[in-house]
Amino acid sequence: EAGVTQSPTHLIKTRGQQATLRCSPISGHTSVYWYQQALGLGLQFLLWYDEGEERNRGNFPPRFSGRQFPNYSSELNVNALELEDSALYLCASSRQGSYNEQFFGPGTRLTVL
Amino acid sequence: SQELEQSPQSLIVQEGKNLTINCTSSKTLYGLYWYKQKYGEGLIFLMMLQKGGEEKSHEKITAKLDEKKQQSSLHITASQPSHAGIYLCGADLMEYGNKLVFGAGTILRVKS
Repeated sequence: EAGVTQSPTHLIKTRGQQATLRCSPISGHTSVYWYQQALGLGLQFLLWYDEGEERNRGNFPPRFSGRQFPNYSSELNVNALELEDSALYLCASSRQGSYNEQFFGPGTRLTVL
Repeated sequence: SQELEQSPQSLIVQEGKNLTINCTSSKTLYGLYWYKQKYGEGLIFLMMLQKGGEEKSHEKITAKLDEKKQQSSLHITASQPSHAGIYLCGADLMEYGNKLVFGAGTILRVKS
């Protein structure tokens, strides 16, 4: 069974630009979660999508947004990038209703210059 | 998150030595999860604990949940270089509904 995949592996942007990160869940999983892991701050919950809808959101500004497609893959968009957005962005997926059994992808390393 | 405190923040042990990492919650736990992360990579699920007093083992790693203390410990016996990485605890907290909160992580280095 293929695991959660994320692309790109690395992304370098400059301040003010937009970044788009992609995630493909495990087959059969309908929920996708996004987390930010900034240096020294641990893992912070960003967004949760299930069946194409945003179900929950962490304490992040509106310039962090995303969507989930009919095939359950997901995109995370970060607009007006700031230096402090530099972090590892992890995507996880789970079966519907099994939010406590999340499987994580390898992450996308976003660097904002 | 401030709801979950992990200690120590980092640890360097000699190969073959035992070690313990702790995770303490300031709120009532529904479940406690341990993950391992190689630096810069995704998380690998290790164990899930849901009942007070529960103890689980996988190879040389044992995790226990003390529900009264709202604390979990992860114990590695006879550490090996392959154990090196970042250990994160995640918790299912009553107040937060359908999402996990995570501790800041413990960086483990194993010297050969």
